[in-house]
Amino acid sequence: DAKTTQPNSMESNEEEPVHLPCNHSTISGTDYIHWYRQLPSQGPEYVIHGLTSNVNNRMASLAIAEDRKSSTLILHRATLRDAAVYYCILRESTTSGTYKYIFGTGTRLKVLA
Amino acid sequence: DTEVTQTPKHLVMGMTNKKSLKCEQHMGHRAMYWYKQKAKKPPELMFVYSYEKLSINESVPSRFSPECPNSSLLNLHLHALQPEDSALYLCASSQDGDRGQETQYFGPGTRLLVL
Repeated sequence: DAKTTQPNSMESNEEEPVHLPCNHSTISGTDYIHWYRQLPSQGPEYVIHGLTSNVNNRMASLAIAEDRKSSTLILHRATLRDAAVYYCILRESTTSGTYKYIFGTGTRLKVLA
Repeated sequence: DTEVTQTPKHLVMGMTNKKSLKCEQHMGHRAMYWYKQKAKKPPELMFVYSYEKLSINESVPSRFSPECPNSSLLNLHLHALQPEDSALYLCASSQDGDRGQETQYFGPGTRLLVL
């Protein structure tokens, strides 16, 4: 299984941009990069995903390095509600034809008022 | 409706008990997943069902027995668990599990305590 590595924790001021990095040096060419976040006492919630190109949606942006060995989740203006654990995930194919998520260790984001 | 529901929310059981966790979705998804999450750790995949057939078993001990009676329902039967099995059990679903870019929808989880 490919692995992802993330910083354990990060802090940001409210209304400031946040850049959450992820390294996935053993990623294969067909693995999608997904980001989820998990608020306390909740299940993980989808944020964004991509394969090679940078992606934007209403929640965040995803910047993927040209060699795909790293990616960065960008929250453009952090709010207190963005405080959560952010997981960088590789979606890998398996021999059974089904895909599975390989979760990174997660980054706990603290947003300061 | 993009909701995955799980019952019960909390469960306390002894090591000799038999209990079941239930997961339901009505999004027409054909792939369903069980994950185990220990405190301050990421979720770990346990089982994947695709079109009601067991597709992946991540070498989970036999005291955990999954069941997918139909495309909307997923159960996890528990028997003779150990205290180290105490964790948050998460259920998820996705369109059909066969496309790399599709996303998973997670339920809120069942918090299990084994005494």
